[in-house]
Amino acid sequence: IAGITQAPTSQILAAGRRMTLRCTQDMRHNAMYWYRQDLGLGLRLIHYSNTAGTTGKGEVPDGYSVSRANTDDFPLTLASAVPSQTSVYFCASSDREGANVLTFGAGSRLTVL
Amino acid sequence: GQNIDQPTEMTATEGAIVQINCTYQTSGFNGLFWYQQHAGEAPTFLSYNVLDGLEEKGRFSSFLSRSKGYSYLLLKELQMKDSASYLCAVKDSNYQLIWGAGTKLIIKP
Repeated sequence: IAGITQAPTSQILAAGRRMTLRCTQDMRHNAMYWYRQDLGLGLRLIHYSNTAGTTGKGEVPDGYSVSRANTDDFPLTLASAVPSQTSVYFCASSDREGANVLTFGAGSRLTVL
Repeated sequence: GQNIDQPTEMTATEGAIVQINCTYQTSGFNGLFWYQQHAGEAPTFLSYNVLDGLEEKGRFSSFLSRSKGYSYLLLKELQMKDSASYLCAVKDSNYQLIWGAGTKLIIKP
């Protein structure tokens, strides 16, 4: 592993199903983030975690939950998927030092039918 | 509300120079970032400006004017691989990142 690994790369999901997007980083970064990216819109923050054991809500948290049991893993769960959650999801991390530059995973493309 | 404005799409010629503008209205300012995102890939960090002026990094330069709420990304000696979307993001007074929708840059031979 080098950087951030996201899984799955893509998924088609029926509405109402539960789905967990996985994110793992090997850079020992304290902070981790989940964004969604939709055409014509800027990246929108769903949830974040400044350090293991803590999480916070971003701009669009409804319908999503996260956990941060350890430094490396930050899964995002959709409890009951809806079509409006069709999007590309990016996990990111940062060391929160200096400029606090984000390193992104390759993304997970989710389609909810 | 908070807002980041960038042109939706720009076209330029290989070998030329292009300037991508970004204007912002945010509650406070704690830095401005430019990221590059190739189609189907993750955004990658290009530059960071927190003080007024020009930051140069190889073929890429980024300029900031805090009084005007304005930044630009300047790409010189354009190459085909520079075809990508360029994302402008501002860190507000709460240190939250506000993202623009991105500028898709098309490079023609």
